[in-house]
Amino acid sequence: ELKVEQNPLFLSMQEGKNYTIYCNYSTTSDRLYWYRQDPGKSLESLFVLLSNGAVKQEGRLMASLDTKARLSTLHITAAVHDLSATYFCAGEYGNKLVFGAGTILRVKS
Amino acid sequence: GAVVSQHPSWVICKSGTSVKIECRSLDFQATTMFWYRQFPKQSLMLMATSNEGSKATYEQGVEKDKFLINHASLTLSTLTVTSAHPEDSSFYICSGYPLAGRNYEQYFGPGTRLTVT
Repeated sequence: ELKVEQNPLFLSMQEGKNYTIYCNYSTTSDRLYWYRQDPGKSLESLFVLLSNGAVKQEGRLMASLDTKARLSTLHITAAVHDLSATYFCAGEYGNKLVFGAGTILRVKS
Repeated sequence: GAVVSQHPSWVICKSGTSVKIECRSLDFQATTMFWYRQFPKQSLMLMATSNEGSKATYEQGVEKDKFLINHASLTLSTLTVTSAHPEDSSFYICSGYPLAGRNYEQYFGPGTRLTVT
């Protein structure tokens, strides 16, 4: 059974600072996903990571995948207030997604 | 592309009544749709996998007689919460997994917020 652990669960950041969210998974996952959720909204897809060593970047966010370590990271560069949201990683087995607990990110001015 | 809609976006119902939530894939065909439930400040939990033309597969702990799922076509799945109780109040999100031609993703609907009074 695939289990996904995310940390930290809450992250308070100063604007302009860098930080990383970690996502560990317990067994082989077909793919690794990162999503953003704003309050009261559904999920917005950020990244799909397909293979070992995959790195994807979009603006201030960069995601990577290390399948040997069963670890994915979401790195935030020079945080801005607009990045405040909840971020979820999810592993996939078969075609089912297993979500991490989510990281609540608050960027303070 | 890859748009999924849900209707209604929010609903309030009285305890003991039933409520139906629709999930439609607007620009792709989905042989498989998923239903998730999200309680406040928690993660998404998969409730069931819905396959077009066959019975849904429910996750452990989800009452299939309470949460009726119908996947009547390649673009429509419905979730009916029967005899709703206040503990069923939650955010319900569906997703569609494309039949073909897309890159490995489920596409999520906007969610339906159910409040049972």
